[in-house]
Amino acid sequence: SQQGEEDPQALSIQEGENATMNCSYKTSINNLQWYRQNSGRGLVHLILIRSNEREKHSGRLRVTLDTSKKSSSLLITASRAADTASYFCATGSKLTFGKGITLSVRP
Amino acid sequence: KAGVTQTPRYLIKTRGQQVTLSCSPISGHRSVSWYQQTPGQGLQFLFEYFSETQRNKGNFPGRFSGRQFSNSRSEMNVSTLELGDSALYLCASSLEGGEDLHTQYFGPGTRLTVL
Repeated sequence: SQQGEEDPQALSIQEGENATMNCSYKTSINNLQWYRQNSGRGLVHLILIRSNEREKHSGRLRVTLDTSKKSSSLLITASRAADTASYFCATGSKLTFGKGITLSVRP
Repeated sequence: KAGVTQTPRYLIKTRGQQVTLSCSPISGHRSVSWYQQTPGQGLQFLFEYFSETQRNKGNFPGRFSGRQFSNSRSEMNVSTLELGDSALYLCASSLEGGEDLHTQYFGPGTRLTVL
């Protein structure tokens, strides 16, 4: 089954810095999504990138997709304390998630 | 539009009991998926319902079951509860379901504790 695996597992940065998170998957995909989860709450959809797209922007978010390497990256620019959360990539009709990346943004 | 709602938000049960969780999707959404989230296993897909039919199923034992009603509301049931069933159960809805990946809108989850 398709599976997203994120790295690093945890990331701690200073407010204002950029945060880069990576995701790898195993099989071909139609699209890939990134989600955010604040502690103990439901997930919030951030961005969807289709397999024929290489890059997509949404506000301070930039997502890239390299289907030849089966990988995606999520860049959050000018991070804020409110960005502190877990981030997941997901693929497949069963929406298979990785274990997530815990991002801590220090004020 | 109102978001995805889940009831109850918190639940405490004892081993051997059964539990039913409810999910109301966003109006107009026909696909409802359920996920289990634990610290050890992360987010795991349970099943997806679309137009009252189970479309996809994850690798969970038969103790986990679900159904979807004609108004797209969904319930999941766990019978003979085990300690390991303690988790956050998340429901998500989307406009469509099936083979392609569609944006999922998640509810706040039901926190189940099994004692």
